Amino acid sequence: LAKTTQPISMDSYEGQEVNITCSHNNIATNDYITWYQQFPSQGPRFIIQGYKTKVTNEVASLFIPADRKSSTLSLPRVSLSDTAVYYCLVGDTNSGGGADGLTFGKGTHLIIQP
Amino acid sequence: DSGVTQTPKHLITATGQRVTLRCSPRSGDLSVYWYQQSLDQGLQFLIQYYNGEERAKGNILERFSAQQFPDLHSELNLSSLELGDSALYFCASSVGLATLGEQYFGPGTRLTVT
Repeated sequence: LAKTTQPISMDSYEGQEVNITCSHNNIATNDYITWYQQFPSQGPRFIIQGYKTKVTNEVASLFIPADRKSSTLSLPRVSLSDTAVYYCLVGDTNSGGGADGLTFGKGTHLIIQP
Repeated sequence: DSGVTQTPKHLITATGQRVTLRCSPRSGDLSVYWYQQSLDQGLQFLIQYYNGEERAKGNILERFSAQQFPDLHSELNLSSLELGDSALYFCASSVGLATLGEQYFGPGTRLTVT
């Protein structure tokens, strides 16, 4: 059973804000939420990680509601270069092992148009 | 550039053969992860090593094995290759043991089995 569910694809336009939502109904108390970005034929790149409420860095924001059953990655003012696959992962960052948090799946293919 | 190196970049071999993929982690990183990415399965976690010891196992076939050496580089051995093993193989590294800490991915090795 997959730990996360995210849309297969989304599209938007340059300059818009894009929000990608991930559902993780069975999130555990110690689980964190992590997002990665992947361009074609390249390895994924870490974007952001959070536990609750809101986390912001120079690239994106991550919104996590109080029940933590979902999370939203927000990309402000996207450009063509933001076209990529985005993965949502859920797992325990403090665990000494375990593969549950490393399920990347197929991610969300975001396409930005001019 | 993530600091993770993988060799070779491309590999073409025949069914039934055996190949070895090599990964050098970022300086200071003790954990190494291997992933397989194919069009139909997405990005799948195979195995994690931490400081020379196996720490987590994912969807790794019995025909595949890996090890991490004292200098922390890692090798993924794929034997009795089948057409379905054709994929992009990524190595990633991270500082600590936690499986959901920030990972740095290498450029990948594209394996084609003919």
